[in-house]
Amino acid sequence: ETGVTQSPTHLIKTRGQQVTLRCSSQSGHNTVSWYQQALGQGPQFIFQYYREEENGRGNFPPRFSGLQFPNYSSELNVNALELDDSALYLCASSAGQVTDTQYFGPGTRLTVL
Amino acid sequence: AQSVTQLDSHVSVSEGTPVLLRCNYSSSYSPSLFWYVQHPNKGLQLLLKYTSAATLVKGINGFEAEFKKSETSFHLTKPSAHMSDAAEYFCVVSDRAYGQNFVFGPGTRLSVLP
Repeated sequence: ETGVTQSPTHLIKTRGQQVTLRCSSQSGHNTVSWYQQALGQGPQFIFQYYREEENGRGNFPPRFSGLQFPNYSSELNVNALELDDSALYLCASSAGQVTDTQYFGPGTRLTVL
Repeated sequence: AQSVTQLDSHVSVSEGTPVLLRCNYSSSYSPSLFWYVQHPNKGLQLLLKYTSAATLVKGINGFEAEFKKSETSFHLTKPSAHMSDAAEYFCVVSDRAYGQNFVFGPGTRLSVLP
């Protein structure tokens, strides 16, 4: 059974640029959630996708957007990058219920200069 | 709104001594509660989960947690710390009344001294 994978591992962007992060969910999971973890803080919920539709969103601006594909993999897109977007971005997959256990990938470290 | 408080930002114990990491939550209904561990430069790993069954929950690596509704607490314990337990620990609340997300606490960094 393959766990949650994310790509790339690290990337560096400059302010104003756009970035796409990718996540492959664990086998059998149809729900993907994205989190932002700033240095020294707990993860903050960005949004969740269930069967290709957005199914909940945290307190993040519209320049944070996402997609989920028929194979349940997902992308997180961030436009007009700001310095404060520098963080570890975590993807988690689950079987679909609200309180189901979420299984996390290793994360993508984004640095915005 | 749901929220999580982790009362200690940093806990330091000696190897072989007990571990206590404290967590209090706020939620209107019957929440699900989790503890996750994050080792440096790694993703989050599930330690244990409470979902309204037994109030004492056993997890991996000898960790356990007790759900106390009257105190709105879900403290994590381990009888004997090991060097490999040194990591960041997050308490998480999830409540179907608040939609599809996990709310994380700020984390407790556990140091284990030889």
